[in-house]
This record gives sequence, structure tokens and C-alpha cells, in this order.
Amino acid sequence: EAGVAQSPRYKIIEKRQSVAFWCNPISGHATLYWYQQILGQGPKLLIQFQNNGVVDDSQLPKDRFSAERLKGVDSTLKIQPAKLEDSAVYLCASSPIRDEQYFGPGTRLTVT
Amino acid sequence: AQSVSQHNHHVILSEAASLELGCNYSYGGTVNLFWYVQYPGQHLQLLLKYFSGDPLVKGIKGFEAEFIKSKFSFNLRKPSVQWSDTAEYFCAVSLYGNNRLAFGKGNQVVVIP
Repeated sequence: EAGVAQSPRYKIIEKRQSVAFWCNPISGHATLYWYQQILGQGPKLLIQFQNNGVVDDSQLPKDRFSAERLKGVDSTLKIQPAKLEDSAVYLCASSPIRDEQYFGPGTRLTVT
Repeated sequence: AQSVSQHNHHVILSEAASLELGCNYSYGGTVNLFWYVQYPGQHLQLLLKYFSGDPLVKGIKGFEAEFIKSKFSFNLRKPSVQWSDTAEYFCAVSLYGNNRLAFGKGNQVVVIP
């Protein structure tokens, strides 16, 4: 079974630029999550989708972050404009409706 | 505020030593509990999980964890570690029914051959 795919794996941008990350979940998984993991901390949930609807985006900084899940499959997470404190690893995970989550390799973002 | 606490963020052990990592949470109600592991250069993967039933759960690679409801704890153990257990270990909690994970800060474990 193919795992969760993410791209790009690494991204370096300057502050105030925009960036987008892509995630392809495991086939058949209804639920998709985006997490932010800052160095030295555990992952923090940003947004949860079930199929193509948002279940929870309470921790998403909506003034600069946006996410969508088209057709209930792939998802993109966008940051516009980026700040220095957005430097982190952005993890995508997927799961059946209620079960363990499977994580992708992450995208390491550096904002300079 | 709801939180997950992991202490002793850096642990250094010799091979064959025993490992115990603590995890405490501050959620009320029924919870699901997880330990995830991230080996160097790899992505997060599930080590073990507790949803209900026997509070002593066994996971992959000889790991086990015990849920003690009265102490709000879910400690991870392995009787004899190997060099290949060098990794970062994360405890995570979700409230029953919503599947949203809250993670602790992680334990960086280094096993010296």
C-alpha cells in the first residue's frame, strides 16, 4: 500500500513570499490532517478535513494560512505571506474515519 | 488547557538497558492514546495505541505501554533496547470520537552500542 505523499520535501523562501505544499493521502482514507512541527516540539494540528469538508481549523492562522481538499482526495496548504516563525516541518496525515493516522515525510520550510 | 506532557526530552542509554518514557495528559473524558516513533530520516509511524480494554498494550519491536487512568498516564517501556531504537518518541492523545491528535514535545532517545 502506498503511503502518504508530500511535495516538495524542502522549501526555502524569504519572508513575505508565498508558498504552497501538496499532499496525496492513502487511497480510500476519508480524513486528512495538516500539522505544523516546529523544531523541538511535537506536531500541532492545523486543520482536519473529512472528505472535502473542514472538520476543525481552530488552530489555523487564517490571516495567512489557507488549505483546501479538492474532490476529497489531494490537499494543498498555502502560506501567504510567510513569516520567520513559520519555519517548521509541515506534516500531512490521513486516516480512515476513526483510526490511527498515517503520516507523510513532511515538507521542511525555511523562511529567511 | 488540555495538554500532553513528556519529560526527560533527551535520553541516552547503552544497549540492553531498559527504557521507560513518561507521558501524562490533562484531558477529561474518554481518550485514545498513542505512541509514535520517528527514526532518523524517516517519517512518523505508529508504535502502539490504546482505545479500550486491557490497559497494558503491546506494540511493535518489543515496546509496550500501560494506561493508568487514575494517573492520567500512558508510559512507554522496553526491557532491553537496541541501537536501532535510536529515535524520537512522541506521545499523542485524542478525545474519543474526534480523532484529533495532541502531541507531547517528544523524547529524543539515543542508544549507544
